[in-house]
Amino acid sequence: DGGITQSPKYLFRKEGQNVTLSCEQNLNHDAMYWYRQDPGQGLRLIYYSQIVNDFQKGDIAEGYSVSREKKESFPLTVTSAQKNPTAFYLCASSMQRGETQYFGPGTRLLVL
Amino acid sequence: QKEVEQNSGPLSVPEGAIASLNCTYSDRVSQSFFWYRQYSGKSPELIMSIYSNGDKEDGRFTAQLNKASQYVSLLIRDSQPSDSATYLCATPWAGSYQLTFGKGTKLSVIP
Repeated sequence: DGGITQSPKYLFRKEGQNVTLSCEQNLNHDAMYWYRQDPGQGLRLIYYSQIVNDFQKGDIAEGYSVSREKKESFPLTVTSAQKNPTAFYLCASSMQRGETQYFGPGTRLLVL
Repeated sequence: QKEVEQNSGPLSVPEGAIASLNCTYSDRVSQSFFWYRQYSGKSPELIMSIYSNGDKEDGRFTAQLNKASQYVSLLIRDSQPSDSATYLCATPWAGSYQLTFGKGTKLSVIP
């Protein structure tokens, strides 16, 4: 089955710790995205990538980092510089720019 | 300024009625629009996409686009309790491929 997988489903971060959220897709999509969703809020773009080894900052990139070493994978690291990381993190992909985006199941990050 | 506005609701309709969800946007050059449904605690799933002025129907769902008024809507006919969810409107911003999302309208279908 084609789709987008995210792991883990829940993630707990301690103060000062970096954590990495996984996103993998087997849809052969070129573009991948990371969004953050806070309760009662819309989705806000963190980072996006059009091709391997290239990515761009979104609206709220501070405190986050990404890599795109493979077409299928776009991991997101939440660094200790992100002071309010508690949120629902969603990964998405699309064939090309501007086309329909499809979402993974999400990772809920909580701070201990 | 990127703006996609939706009434946050909640919008309550009785089972079997038509639910009407509305979205306005401020970017005059927006060409494509997407409606996503998001159940509580889950990720968004695509319901409809629309690119041209007018109506687009898919089963019980109809998307309506009026570019002159910068308005897009989603109608759900014969609403079912399983339609109870938050509906997100989105459009790529200013020719880019970054989708800008509204905050969503929460729909509650009452049996």
